[in-house]
Amino acid sequence: QVQLQESGPGLVKPSQTLSLTCTVSGESISIGGYYWSWIRQRPGKGLEWIGYIYYSGNTYYNPSLKSRLTISVDTSKNEFSLNLTSVTAADTALYYCAKDRAGGEVTHWGQGTLVTVSS
Amino acid sequence: QSALTQPASVSGSPGQSITISCTGSDNDVETYRLVSWYQRRPGSAPQLLIYEVNKRPSGVSDRFSGSKSGNTASLTISGLQGDDEAEYYCSSYAGNGIFKVFGGGTKLTVL
Repeated sequence: QVQLQESGPGLVKPSQTLSLTCTVSGESISIGGYYWSWIRQRPGKGLEWIGYIYYSGNTYYNPSLKSRLTISVDTSKNEFSLNLTSVTAADTALYYCAKDRAGGEVTHWGQGTLVTVSS
Repeated sequence: QSALTQPASVSGSPGQSITISCTGSDNDVETYRLVSWYQRRPGSAPQLLIYEVNKRPSGVSDRFSGSKSGNTASLTISGLQGDDEAEYYCSSYAGNGIFKVFGGGTKLTVL
């Protein structure tokens, strides 16, 4: 059974870069047919798709975040990462990593990690 | 606001059925049969309940069912139980370069 676990700082200063890593266990991240996603939920809001990556490195980003966003994959470590630059308080959210049948359903989710942007 | 519109809350008594709606547009729900539903209990990760409008993953109770008409998808939970109390989110593929959109979530209270 695949499991995903987010890790990274819980507090980031405004204008800095938010960096999170998702470690995948129980399955190779190089499995075909699935993408690896980042999804967030800001306080009081619904879920928001951030973007996803294929094991080959192909990425798809939410246009609203694209200019600040980089998602990368390290198949040797079976993990993928999120970098979001120039953060503001509006980026404060619960961040999830997930296994995604691109275009379709999210099959597995991490537990989520809360990131607060504050000085 | 969220791309897909869900009621903020619904409630029902044990044994009853409830339906949660998810309204989108011709960019998403109306055009694609790629609607999914998720359950999130407090402190837990979301769990997939329904995919491709009305398919259930292995292990999901047949008390959960999905449907779609026009730009509105629906999740029906029959035979309500206490542990159905949770938040429910819909999602759809979106063909306008966003790829995936979600609803704002619906809190289900079992009375």
